[in-house]
Amino acid sequence: EAQVTQNPRYLITVTGKKLTVTCSQNMNHEYMSWYRQDPGLGLRQIYYSMNVEVTDKGDVPEGYKVSRKEKRNFPLILESPSPNQTSLYFCASSLRDHIGDEQFFGPGTRLTVL
Amino acid sequence: AQSVTQLGSHVSVSEGALVLLRCNYSSSVPPYLFWYVQYPNQGLQLLLKYTTGATLVKGINGFEAEFKKSETSFHLTKPSAHMSDAAEYFCAVIKGNKLVFGAGTILRVKS
Repeated sequence: EAQVTQNPRYLITVTGKKLTVTCSQNMNHEYMSWYRQDPGLGLRQIYYSMNVEVTDKGDVPEGYKVSRKEKRNFPLILESPSPNQTSLYFCASSLRDHIGDEQFFGPGTRLTVL
Repeated sequence: AQSVTQLGSHVSVSEGALVLLRCNYSSSVPPYLFWYVQYPNQGLQLLLKYTTGATLVKGINGFEAEFKKSETSFHLTKPSAHMSDAAEYFCAVIKGNKLVFGAGTILRVKS
């Protein structure tokens, strides 16, 4: 089944404890992206990647890191999480590096930072 | 600069009634426009998109949207609401290499 998977789905952690949220797609998509969703703000892009080893900042990159060593994986790293990073996170991918393509979203990761 | 404004954070309709969700965009160039739907506890799913060509775009589940350049609008409609349409709906526009989302509209369908 074609899909985007994220792990973990739920995570509660404490301030300053490094964490990684994994994202993987099995559709051979070139474009991948991370978003955070907060009430009243919609989805805001954190980072995106147009291909392997090519990443760029979105609108809210502060406090996050990403890497794209393989086409299928695009992990999101929080080196020192803070409470303002409590949010619902979505990974998405699309076929080409043209953003006009449909984006396929993962199921989401709900992160709570205490 | 490109952004989207969704009018109404919550919309409530009766089952069988018309659904109208409003989206206005600001753009200095012809936009690519999208509507996504998010069902409870799920990721987003594409409903429809406008790139070029016909201004009336049909999507899945009976939804459609009309691109009106003169009004800078891309409102989403469905003639008859169904209980299964209850979800959050997001309008989005391309901004460079990024997809910029509106704040979302939660649709409630009353029986």
